[in-house]
Amino acid sequence: GAGVSQSPRYKVAKRGQDVALRCDPISGHVSLFWYQQALGQGPEFLTYFQNEAQLDKSGLPSDRFFAERPEGSVSTLKIQRTQQEDSAVYLCASSLGGPQHFGDGTRLSIL
Amino acid sequence: QKEVEQNSGPLSVPEGAIASLNCTYSDRGSQSFFWYRQYSGKSPELIMFIYSNGDKEDGRFTAQLNKASQYVSLLIRDSQPSDSATYLCAVRYGNKLVFGAGTILRVKS
Repeated sequence: GAGVSQSPRYKVAKRGQDVALRCDPISGHVSLFWYQQALGQGPEFLTYFQNEAQLDKSGLPSDRFFAERPEGSVSTLKIQRTQQEDSAVYLCASSLGGPQHFGDGTRLSIL
Repeated sequence: QKEVEQNSGPLSVPEGAIASLNCTYSDRGSQSFFWYRQYSGKSPELIMFIYSNGDKEDGRFTAQLNKASQYVSLLIRDSQPSDSATYLCAVRYGNKLVFGAGTILRVKS
């Protein structure tokens, strides 16, 4: 596709459930990033992939957060045993090494 | 701790005026700077990026970088109501972007 595609756009889950968020980057972009954006704040870095290698996961807030990109294209961000503080917009971005281009995000609400 | 600071606003300007948005950053070694526009409920959209001191112009937008003073500015000429949005300043550290909290811009018609 022409841009970064994320699904689902909205996800509501009960506290304690596991969720999986998908990102389909711009075709050919080797770099993929996940960010978390709380209401009224700027995005905060979670993790970075170059092709299938996860080179930086320093922003993941806890071991409940896990990301993968097994074939160097589509990526999945998984959150286990969700907590209310996980409620946020999760943004995916991709790049060819230059500026990052963002998807529309997944708005996650934990009840 | 890498920090990027922006005035949260809102910054209100009349239609046709120049809007001036500012951003300061903490790491003197930073090399790459980005401005994103974000409409409510939408993704950040890249407006400008700048790597070297001075000004960079693209249409109605001008980015200004002053590395000695560690600030980046975005000027929007002939502001339109459709420019009303949150403007995010971002600084690249390694492979990741560190964002400010954003400045809300309101252009009044």
